[in-house]
Amino acid sequence: GENVEQHPSTLSVQEGDSAVIKCTYSDSASNYFPWYKQELGKGPQLIIDIRSNVGEKKDQRIAVTLNKTAKHFSLHITETQPEDSAVYFCAARAMDSNYQLIWGAGTKLIIKP
Amino acid sequence: NAGVTQTPKFQVLKTGQSMTLQCAQDMNHEYMSWYRQDPGMGLRLIHYSVGAGITDQGEVPNGYNVSRSTTEDFPLRLLSAAPSQTSVYFCASSFGTGDNQPQHFGDGTRLSIL
Repeated sequence: GENVEQHPSTLSVQEGDSAVIKCTYSDSASNYFPWYKQELGKGPQLIIDIRSNVGEKKDQRIAVTLNKTAKHFSLHITETQPEDSAVYFCAARAMDSNYQLIWGAGTKLIIKP
Repeated sequence: NAGVTQTPKFQVLKTGQSMTLQCAQDMNHEYMSWYRQDPGMGLRLIHYSVGAGITDQGEVPNGYNVSRSTTEDFPLRLLSAAPSQTSVYFCASSFGTGDNQPQHFGDGTRLSIL
């Protein structure tokens, strides 16, 4: 079945700098890759997603890139702000598991003032 | 619009006790699911439902039961609590599992088993 690995587990960046979080997946048939943001004491919330027929997608300061050949996808946050501090999860939709999402372990992003 | 509501927010149980975690959504979503979140392990699917009267097992179903008698409610039952079930539990709902159907999460239930 699908397996998703996420790195790093913790990322600390200076306010205004960029942050990059990377995920790899194992099932080449997976075709949908969302990113969720979880703030302290809250449930995860979708921030951006990408489908396997697209290489890159942007939404203001957030972008996601997908390399199907290497089976990895990344979240890029530019001009980081204090409110970007949170835990970020990547996921892949597993084609052999009734379309369930398989989740990465999460990255705690810390924005230093 | 309340979205996904989970109760209780916190609970402490003794080993062997049973309890039900409640989840309700007011968005008329067909798909609902329960996850547990443990440090360093992301979200693991416990059970899910694609509509009223239909449930199925996820990745870690042992020790848990679910039912879906209405579209709105999807309770999770712990049959005989064990310390290994100490975790944060999240309920989520969506219209389906398609690309344009993001999951909406509740704020979680933090459960400790002594």
